[in-house]
Amino acid sequence: AQKVTQAQTEISVVEKEDVTLDCVYETRDTTYYLFWYKQPPSGELVFLIRRNSFDEQNEISGRYSWNFQKSTSSFNFTITASQVVDSAVYFCALSEVGTNAGKSTFGDGTTLTVKP
Amino acid sequence: DAGVIQSPRHEVTEMGQEVTLRCKPISGHNSLFWYRQTMMRGLELLIYFNNNVPIDDSGMPEDRFSAKMPNASFSTLKIQPSEPRDSAVYFCASSPGRSQETQYFGPGTRLLVL
Repeated sequence: AQKVTQAQTEISVVEKEDVTLDCVYETRDTTYYLFWYKQPPSGELVFLIRRNSFDEQNEISGRYSWNFQKSTSSFNFTITASQVVDSAVYFCALSEVGTNAGKSTFGDGTTLTVKP
Repeated sequence: DAGVIQSPRHEVTEMGQEVTLRCKPISGHNSLFWYRQTMMRGLELLIYFNNNVPIDDSGMPEDRFSAKMPNASFSTLKIQPSEPRDSAVYFCASSPGRSQETQYFGPGTRLLVL
């Protein structure tokens, strides 16, 4: 069975600090997809990134960057120079391909608070 | 482009009443998902459809819950009878395909059962 672990329940930083949110996953599949979603205080879930299991290239999008390492089954998310607007709950998710195609497993989320 | 549309956004009802949540997926998306989010259990997948057919309903908590997708542009999640422990935020999401495609979430329905 697939599993996603976000060990950090809550993180608090001061504005302009860098912060890394950890995500560790378990799956028996060789082909799978990993996602990060953001849930701001308003409640909606916003897609941030999708990465397939064959693409281990790190990705950078503005202040956001993602580090995917299959060797450690991790897909960590770093926010550089954090801002108050980054305060949200961040979810990591895993989606398998195959018999369970379409079924995503979400981590419990990490609540990030950025203080001014 | 319109995103996933859910209605109502908020629902307050009394225990024992029937509750119907509605979802309109993004046009052209073939997969639709219903999730429930609570503090205790986090985000749980209840059921998902592909091409209007239920693929996996193993997450549906019990017989009081039922979901339908009569056509590609509409789905309902019904709770009958409702109980206080059903209080949660219910999200609908859609994706273009069946497996690895990104899921786009609606704004959610906040349900409170008194």
